[in-house]
Amino acid sequence: DAGITQSPRHKVTETGTPVTLRCHQTENHRYMYWYRQDPGHGLRLIHYSYGVKDTDKGEVSDGYSVSRSKTEDFLLTLESATSSQTSVYFCAISDPWVGAANYGYTFGSGTRLTVV
Amino acid sequence: TQLLEQSPQFLSIQEGENLTVYCNSSSVFSSLQWYRQEPGEGPVLLVTVVTGGEVKKLKRLTFQFGDARKDSSLHITAAQPGDTGLYLCAGASGGYQKVTFGIGTKLQVIP
Repeated sequence: DAGITQSPRHKVTETGTPVTLRCHQTENHRYMYWYRQDPGHGLRLIHYSYGVKDTDKGEVSDGYSVSRSKTEDFLLTLESATSSQTSVYFCAISDPWVGAANYGYTFGSGTRLTVV
Repeated sequence: TQLLEQSPQFLSIQEGENLTVYCNSSSVFSSLQWYRQEPGEGPVLLVTVVTGGEVKKLKRLTFQFGDARKDSSLHITAAQPGDTGLYLCAGASGGYQKVTFGIGTKLQVIP
């Protein structure tokens, strides 16, 4: 299995507090992504990174920030958590250089975040 | 925003039956992937198709990419309880930096 781990696996936090989720990979993949998964919406991209200190917004980036200071780590921060950010968060990695026929994401096991 | 519509959203069948799930879009994709997700885990890549009309087989699973590269189907022969899960399709375009996911088809195979 590709080495990708997310921490924590579960977290309950209070409205208004900052929260940071961590994604760590050992595959040296250039691209890393943060998605959230919600019933009726599927997987939606929050932010992604295409290299150290190179990041860009996805379709649901409001209220979130990211940082990537090392190839292996991609952090997602909820600046001031709200109940609408209760969700399951997935990190994914990809390597576009493997070629189109084998392209795909490797996902972490997810972080279930509850904002109360 | 490129949308991928999956149908049906829910499917409950008996072990041994065949089934087909669909993934449709009005957009053209460079490649399309299928994933299976089990409760409490992240999606796992099953296959990637890149050429219009391409058919790939993975044991009892057959994946087809539409000729116009706007749609795809997944056919499962003789479904087994181990096939139970959420099946997601995802389309990649441009430089493969991002993919768009469908909402998924939740499959339950009853023993």
